[in-house]
Amino acid sequence: KQEVTQIPAALSVPEGENLVLNCSFTDSAIYNLQWFRQDPGKGLTSLLLIQSSQREQTSGRLNASLDKSSGRSTLYIAASQPGDSATYLCAVNSGGYQKVTFGTGTKLQVIP
Amino acid sequence: DVKVTQSSRYLVKRTGEKVFLECVQDMDHENMFWYRQDPGLGLRLIYFSYDVKMKEKGDIPEGYSVSREKKERFSLILESASTNQTSMYLCASSLSGRAAYGYTFGSGTRLTVV
Repeated sequence: KQEVTQIPAALSVPEGENLVLNCSFTDSAIYNLQWFRQDPGKGLTSLLLIQSSQREQTSGRLNASLDKSSGRSTLYIAASQPGDSATYLCAVNSGGYQKVTFGTGTKLQVIP
Repeated sequence: DVKVTQSSRYLVKRTGEKVFLECVQDMDHENMFWYRQDPGLGLRLIYFSYDVKMKEKGDIPEGYSVSREKKERFSLILESASTNQTSMYLCASSLSGRAAYGYTFGSGTRLTVV
């Protein structure tokens, strides 16, 4: 059974700092990995989707990488801003009909 | 802009009531999903559907049922609401089977059962 871990559970950084969020998974036989952002009391907003054949994806200040052999993905946020404060979740798709395993998230606080 | 719309942001219901949570997507997606999200437990899959009138149990289907009469609409039904079903409920959709496509989520329904 796929297990997805995100460490740390919470992170606080000063504005302007570059940061990395981690996502680890136990079974490397995946179809894709998706990073989401969740604001308090809201749904999940998709940030980046990486296919199993890809090594990274970029969108603006965000860059996500994937290393299947080590069972890891990272989300790099450049020049962090207070508006980046949210919980970030990764989701690993390794099953049929797109059954997906979610991590429990990293709560990020960017301090002005 | 493509969307998954959940009909209610907040609901308060009484124990024993039958509760309907509605989800509509405008992206012509085949797959639709219902999750609940609880602190410390993360997202847990309740039910999913890969086609009209088709449904599959997820990890925690007990106390819930679903209906998918049209491709764009997926309803979650709490047959007799209980306080342990107080939670955030999230609906999602995706294109059929293809790994190239990820999930799109709705904005969530916060259900409180009193």
